[in-house]
Amino acid sequence: GQSLEQPSEVTAVEGAIVQINCTYQTSGFYGLSWYQQHDGGAPTFLSYNALDGLEETGRFSSFLSRSDSYGYLLLQELQMKDSASYFCAVRRGNQGGKLIFGQGTELSVKP
Amino acid sequence: DVKVTQSSRYLVKRTGEKVFLECVQDMDHENMFWYRQDPGLGLRLIYFSYDVKMKEKGDIPEGYSVSREKKERFSLILESASTNQTSMYLCASSTRQGPFTDTQYFGPGTRLTVL
Repeated sequence: GQSLEQPSEVTAVEGAIVQINCTYQTSGFYGLSWYQQHDGGAPTFLSYNALDGLEETGRFSSFLSRSDSYGYLLLQELQMKDSASYFCAVRRGNQGGKLIFGQGTELSVKP
Repeated sequence: DVKVTQSSRYLVKRTGEKVFLECVQDMDHENMFWYRQDPGLGLRLIYFSYDVKMKEKGDIPEGYSVSREKKERFSLILESASTNQTSMYLCASSTRQGPFTDTQYFGPGTRLTVL
């Protein structure tokens, strides 16, 4: 079957660093994406890794290891506004877009 | 800014009704998608389209159909709504993606309740 596993909940304090892991088992793999969704809002794109290694975008970084079928999202200098759900998603198609999502990780940032 | 709009934010329908959910994007994107989102299950792909009049089944197409007559518009149709189709429905769009990019833009969602 196809599955993505990520923790359901993570709690951290303002200013801290948090890592959200994602392991996947899918038929066909072209890359790993991360999306953020605030309560009641639309998912918004954060990052995409097609190759092994670390991609950095401001306070957020994303890592991929294709050999381990594993990736993570790293959030640094946490702010209250980072409280949201974070989804990893595997791209299965060459044309893009054919994503399978994990169940999401709810991040709570405490003062 | 890319804008994806959905026809309704909230919708209440009765079992057996035919339901249309509309999605419009304003960025000339080739690809459009319909997902449903349920607690603890993440987003699940229902149908997608890579071009006008073209459609492909996603992971959970049963009970749904789609229509894409114009590039900017992608409709999701519930032929005969059932209570297990109560959910949040999200539309998304994207350009044709190369190997190193893959960004989807989501609409605000339609929360459908079937009574």
